[in-house]
Amino acid sequence: GAGVSQSPRYKVAKRGQDVALRCDPISGHVSLFWYQQALGQGPEFLTYFQNEAQLDKSGLPSDRFFAERPEGSVSTLKIQRTQQEDSAVYLCASSKNRGGTNEKLFFGSGTQLSVL
Amino acid sequence: AQSVTQPDIHITVSEGASLELRCNYSYGATPYLFWYVQSPGQGLQLLLKYFSGDTLVQGIKGFEAEFKRSQSSFNLRKPSVHWSDAAEYFCAVGANQAGTALIFGKGTTLSVSS
Repeated sequence: GAGVSQSPRYKVAKRGQDVALRCDPISGHVSLFWYQQALGQGPEFLTYFQNEAQLDKSGLPSDRFFAERPEGSVSTLKIQRTQQEDSAVYLCASSKNRGGTNEKLFFGSGTQLSVL
Repeated sequence: AQSVTQPDIHITVSEGASLELRCNYSYGATPYLFWYVQSPGQGLQLLLKYFSGDTLVQGIKGFEAEFKRSQSSFNLRKPSVHWSDAAEYFCAVGANQAGTALIFGKGTTLSVSS
């Protein structure tokens, strides 16, 4: 596609529900990143994939967060047993190559998750 | 630990006036530095980046930034602001050896008055 696409755009969940957020990166991009942006804050790194391999998940806040990219393209971020503190905008980004810091990241518009 | 500080939460500038957004970083090695802009409902867009070489870097939309190692700063500037520049601006530093994570500041919201 022309850009990074994320769905849904908005998600409201009751506390304790599981949610799945989808990211379609730019076609052919090797690297994919997930970031979490709380209200009034800058984005915070969650996890990084190079193709289907999850090479860095150091930013995932708890074991309730799980991400996958099984075929090296579309990625899903899953949050189990959602809590109010999970409310944030979840941003996906992709880059053409191996995701070194010198790479340009292309960000999606994000999924705004509200946990009630 | 690496960190990025943007001291100004909100700045208002008159259209046509000059702009400077401040960014200070803390990083042990030579940093990779970035400025991103986020408009409402839009994804983050890269304005410019610094890796090495000339400390004054030019970006898109008429923005520039200057890396000052002695001050640990990477301030963003624009000589004449347009109403369409109203947005949120984030400074970021490349965070780890593998270079796979960015650390962002909390952002500065820019409002442009007519």
